[in-house]
Amino acid sequence: EDQVTQSPEALRLQEGESSSLNCSYTVSGLRGLFWYRQDPGKGPEFLFTLYSAGEEKEKERLKATLTKKESFLHITAPKPEDSATYLCAVRDGGSNYKLTFGKGTLLTVNP
Amino acid sequence: DADVTQTPRNRITKTGKRIMLECSQTKGHDRMYWYRQDPGLGLRLIYYSFDVKDINKGEISDGYSVSRQAQAKFSLSLESAIPNQTALYFCATSDRTGSTQYFGPGTRLTVL
Repeated sequence: EDQVTQSPEALRLQEGESSSLNCSYTVSGLRGLFWYRQDPGKGPEFLFTLYSAGEEKEKERLKATLTKKESFLHITAPKPEDSATYLCAVRDGGSNYKLTFGKGTLLTVNP
Repeated sequence: DADVTQTPRNRITKTGKRIMLECSQTKGHDRMYWYRQDPGLGLRLIYYSFDVKDINKGEISDGYSVSRQAQAKFSLSLESAIPNQTALYFCATSDRTGSTQYFGPGTRLTVL
């Protein structure tokens, strides 16, 4: 059974204080690792898809990286508007649809 | 306009009532999904549909039913709502590769 564990559960940063969120996964044949951002009361917003170890993707202050066991979402010089819950999900090799989600990391960036 | 829309956005109902949540998409995707989100449990798949004639149960389908009225429309019904169905409900879509799922804004359902 696929498993996704995100840490920490909550992270509080000062504006400009860079940090990383972790997503550890167990999956049979990874067919994609997905990062989403979710604001309170809203639907998850797609950020990145990573497919193979060593792959990196960037968008503004966010950079996602992937190894064979985990993914990191690096946040450089965060701003208060980066405050949200960040969700990680994986798709395994035996499925062409099923995503297994982690419980998310609640990021708060204080001004 | 949003690519994936859900109605209603909020609903309060009573135990035993029948409820329908609706989802529409303009992304042209074949695949549509219904999830629920509960605090501390993450997103869980209720039903999914690969096209109008292909509907499948997800991991928590008991107490729910769905209807795919058209490629762009996918409805979720609670035949007899119960309090533990209180949750956030999200519709999502993806293309045939299923590579990335795009979510709607959600429906907050409260069953009293």
